[in-house]
Amino acid sequence: GENVEQHPSTLSVQEGDSAVIKCTYSDSASNYFPWYKQELGKGPQLIIDIRSNVGEKKDQRIAVTLNKTAKHFSLHITETQPEDSAVYFCAASNLGSQGNLIFGKGTKLSVKP
Amino acid sequence: DAMVIQNPRYQVTQFGKPVTLSCSQTLNHNVMYWYQQKSSQAPKLLFHYYDKDFNNEADTPDNFQSRRPNTSFCFLDIRSPGLGDAAMYLCATSNPDGGRPYEQYFGPGTRLTVT
Repeated sequence: GENVEQHPSTLSVQEGDSAVIKCTYSDSASNYFPWYKQELGKGPQLIIDIRSNVGEKKDQRIAVTLNKTAKHFSLHITETQPEDSAVYFCAASNLGSQGNLIFGKGTKLSVKP
Repeated sequence: DAMVIQNPRYQVTQFGKPVTLSCSQTLNHNVMYWYQQKSSQAPKLLFHYYDKDFNNEADTPDNFQSRRPNTSFCFLDIRSPGLGDAAMYLCATSNPDGGRPYEQYFGPGTRLTVT
C-alpha cells in the first residue's frame, strides 16, 4: 500500500521568511496530492492540492510542486505570517480506486513575529 | 453555511463503556469518512461509507463500528473503549460526483478521553 513520508516534523521560521515542507510517496499509482492545514483544536482544512498531470500549482503565497519521477512533492509558503502557524499534513491518493487519503505525519510550523 | 458538524466536541467515557460519536453534514455529499487521530500523529482512516456501502479498512479493530442511517448522519460506535482509543475522531465528507470529487471536507473533530 501507499506510504507517505513527510519532513521536517517541526519547522520554525521568522515572519516574512519562506517555509518549505517536503513529502515523498511510494505508490506510483497515486495521482492526487492535497495539503491540509490543521490549527489547534480544529479539523484539517484543505489549502492547496495538485494532480499528477500538473507539475506546479500556486495560490497567492502558497505553492505546491510535484516530481512524479522522484515521487516527491513539496509545499512552499512565502512571506510567512504568524497566522500560518499550524500543523501541515501532506497526503496522497489514487483517485482511480477508492480515493482514500494516506497522510504524512505532519509538520508543525511556527512563524515567529 | 454548508458544513460538517461533529457532536460532542469533547467526550469522556469510562474504560469498557460503549460510546457513540456523531457526525452530520449539510453538504449532501455521498461519501462520509471516519478518521482516528492520536496526539501528534496523522489522521488514520477507520472506514467510510459511499452512500450506504460500508468500506472498512483492513486494520480497523472490530471494536469500532459505524452506522449511516441517512445521507446527512453518520455515527461512530466504540463498543468497549480502551485507554488506547483516546484520540481525536474526525469525520469528513466528499462528493465524487461533484465539481471537486476528490476534496475531503473535515469536521472539527471529537476529542475522546477514556478514564
